[in-house]
Amino acid sequence: GAVVSQHPSRVICKSGTSVKIECRSLDFQATTMFWYRQFPKQSLMLMATSNEGSKATYEQGVEKDKFLINHASLTLSTLTVTSAHPEDSSFYICSARPRGLPDTQYFGPGTRLTVL
Amino acid sequence: SQKIEQNSEALNIQEGKTATLTCNYTNYSPAYLQWYRQDPGRGPVFLLLIRENEKEKRKERLKVTFDTTLKQSLFHITASQPADSATYLCALDSGGYSTLTFGKGTMLLVSP
Repeated sequence: GAVVSQHPSRVICKSGTSVKIECRSLDFQATTMFWYRQFPKQSLMLMATSNEGSKATYEQGVEKDKFLINHASLTLSTLTVTSAHPEDSSFYICSARPRGLPDTQYFGPGTRLTVL
Repeated sequence: SQKIEQNSEALNIQEGKTATLTCNYTNYSPAYLQWYRQDPGRGPVFLLLIRENEKEKRKERLKVTFDTTLKQSLFHITASQPADSATYLCALDSGGYSTLTFGKGTMLLVSP
């Protein structure tokens, strides 16, 4: 089946540093990848949509200069949280849409970010 | 934008019973609706998709109904097992933008 991986699964960093999270589709090509954020007992909130080779589309209220997204290939997207602050601590989840399946998203296992 | 309501209280049922979870939405009718399972500290896992022209979909012990008049979907797990304990999320397409809008989910606890 379709597998999406995320790395790292957990990261703890100091306030002011930057953190990069990778999202990979392991056995399929993903024309579109999505980045979500989830706070405890809350729903997944879409942060941005990225298409391979083009700039990401950010949802309202999400700072594009703070959350840098790069979708360099059909199997890899990265999210960089720049100058992280404690309020950025959250569970970040990516998903990947396979080519030709517009109604399908396969989700990664998530990355727990803790900013001290 | 779409507003999705799922029961925030956990549903506690006994093993072997049927669990029924509800998803209500308030605005436009989505082209499709999806149900996901999410375990603590993990990403969502896709379970079922039902389209607006479908009233019911089944997969093994799972059944989903979709009533566009009531703006409601029901998710049933028959012969529930403790391993079914998880949070179940309802997600709707976001009105032509090819993105998903998620509900907060309902936690299901199946006791032996």
